[in-house]
Amino acid sequence: QSALTQFASVSGSPGQSITISCTGTSSDVGGYNSVSWYQQHPGKAPKLMIYDVSNRPSGVSDRFSGSKSGNTASLTISGLQAEDEADYYCSSYTSTSTLYVFGTGTKVTVL
Amino acid sequence: QLQLQESGPGLVKPSETLSLTCTVSGDSIISKTYYWGWIRQPPGKGLEWIASIYYTGSNYYNPSLKSRVTISVDTSKNQVSLKLSPVTAADTAVFYCVRDWRFKYSFDNWGQGTLVTVSS
Repeated sequence: QSALTQFASVSGSPGQSITISCTGTSSDVGGYNSVSWYQQHPGKAPKLMIYDVSNRPSGVSDRFSGSKSGNTASLTISGLQAEDEADYYCSSYTSTSTLYVFGTGTKVTVL
Repeated sequence: QLQLQESGPGLVKPSETLSLTCTVSGDSIISKTYYWGWIRQPPGKGLEWIASIYYTGSNYYNPSLKSRVTISVDTSKNQVSLKLSPVTAADTAVFYCVRDWRFKYSFDNWGQGTLVTVSS
């Protein structure tokens, strides 16, 4: 099971919106609405930001939103803030024996 | 408030066994909603799911690690344990204990992580 594909880095200025993509296959992202997104600050544990493609856990800012089209899922951060600078990982259920597959990760830089 | 705390040796020799324990506080491991699992992250690299277990002992393993991994649960101590053997330098990583929200196929709570280095 190969990792889901994410661009290595994305950057934006404060206040802007950015979108992070996560591309898989019909066995994972494209086949199920079980895509999650995690935010990881340096030296910290990841934090769940989005589950089931577009749902936010309690306490997560509504500046974070998720969507999916075909085999690609996306995380959009609106009104970019300095605190959003972190690594972001997508994850999906997969019908292969692996059960869970993660993305390669995207480093978000706030200019 | 739910807390997951990993514990175990920070240094393991090649070919030996890596053993970690996760102590869960603030909630019972005996839950019909959640599994409990382990995820690792080599330094500077991405995340890899290792295994998850239900309080009954029903478990799931990443096939790429299955031959070397054992996950177990102790409901009396509210703990989940992980054993990986034999280890090589490629197993050096931060290991996270996680709550596996199986209904949503996501990990909604994470421990702080513990770095395990494999070196002689």
